Amino acid sequence: IQLTQSPSSVSASVGDRVTITCRASQGFGSWLAWYQQKPGKAPKLLIQAASSLQSGVPSRFSGSGSGTEFTLTISSLQPEDFATYYCQQANSLPITFGQGTRLEIK
Amino acid sequence: QVQLVESGGGVVQPGRSLRLSCAASGLPFSISSMHWVRQTPGKGLEWLAVISNDGDAKHSADSVKGRFSISRDNAKNTLFLQMNSLRTEDTAVYYCARGSDRRAFDVWGQGTLVTVSS
Repeated sequence: IQLTQSPSSVSASVGDRVTITCRASQGFGSWLAWYQQKPGKAPKLLIQAASSLQSGVPSRFSGSGSGTEFTLTISSLQPEDFATYYCQQANSLPITFGQGTRLEIK
Repeated sequence: QVQLVESGGGVVQPGRSLRLSCAASGLPFSISSMHWVRQTPGKGLEWLAVISNDGDAKHSADSVKGRFSISRDNAKNTLFLQMNSLRTEDTAVYYCARGSDRRAFDVWGQGTLVTVSS
């Protein structure tokens, strides 16, 4: 299953609402996760099973979707949110990731 | 403290072998499925392999099938990745990660860099 994220990069300001989309080449249920990665660091799990917020992750992060379209929304950007975001599916092997969305400060 | 620590990376010539290790602490390693994921410099993430909690089931990506082998030692809380016939395109940061009960990767190591170069 191929995952395509859009946009590939986005510039936004602190306080903005940002939505990142992940589209799958074929439909599946909800085995989709979102990760945040900062330079030189390992990815960090934000959302799993499409909409389940990982423990310790701020509630401004939310996920939704099923089938072929999934979204990650950050309701009010904070300075620490500027990073690269990846979606990942585990509905079937091989597990695949989207190409990433770079979130930059405007 | 939940932690995964990779080791074994370094510089290796094409065609040679390398074995990565991932030491787990603070988590129930013996009941966790474990994965290897890599990230090429400046690029995205690529899943490589998974092993079940008891080591009986293993699956790997086509890009490494027949060259890379995943294994584990539950008595030592350690995961391994044996990499043979290395190619320059295998140059990447290699991460171990735990599989969550919702098929995500909820714990990651810090990564170990493998550079394949003559």
